[in-house]
Amino acid sequence: DQQVKQNSPSLSVQEGRISILNCDYTNSMFDYFLWYKKYPAEGPTFLISISSIKDKNEDGRFTVFLNKSAKHLSLHIVPSQPGDSAVYFCAASYGQNFVFGPGTRLSVLP
Amino acid sequence: KAGVTQTPRYLIKTRGQQVTLSCSPISGHRSVSWYQQTPGQGLQFLFEYFSETQRNKGNFPGRFSGRQFSNSRSEMNVSTLELGDSALYLCASSKGSEEKLFFGSGTQLSVL
Repeated sequence: DQQVKQNSPSLSVQEGRISILNCDYTNSMFDYFLWYKKYPAEGPTFLISISSIKDKNEDGRFTVFLNKSAKHLSLHIVPSQPGDSAVYFCAASYGQNFVFGPGTRLSVLP
Repeated sequence: KAGVTQTPRYLIKTRGQQVTLSCSPISGHRSVSWYQQTPGQGLQFLFEYFSETQRNKGNFPGRFSGRQFSNSRSEMNVSTLELGDSALYLCASSKGSEEKLFFGSGTQLSVL
């Protein structure tokens, strides 16, 4: 039973355009949500997070939106750059219980 | 400030052997978690330690075990290795509850 889902295994976007990565969760107990970026042969690096008391958090080119009623969050990257090409993992947590999605491979084409 | 350090980076073992992986967390971090990543899969949670005590455990067989030392360093052990254990094993540390995780570069384990 997947508690955190990323239904798009891959996404291709033109450089300079917006990338939108989506994530759905099923457990209402999750109260903290994070996005991680991973390059091959490296560990995931933290990108941005959002608490369940907010519906939007911005950090530079990255914005995370949370829709609690739909149990859905999304990561927007604007503008997309070739260096953003990586696998993006969505994670949801309560307490110290972190559950990760299967990841979405983003390719930003020059 | 040094990041999370995992050793070794690469490991090749044969079926039936056992393996021990090591993780040194960021200084001051008392929580250490272990994850398994296989191709096409997300990060599957193995277990989490805080102050030398296992607080949470994922859905893995008893062949997977771990421990944490008083200096917060952690080890993970896999006994009687199977081909399906081939994966990237990631260690993450954090200060404690509801804090984001910082990951090491992982140990790539290949079981032949």
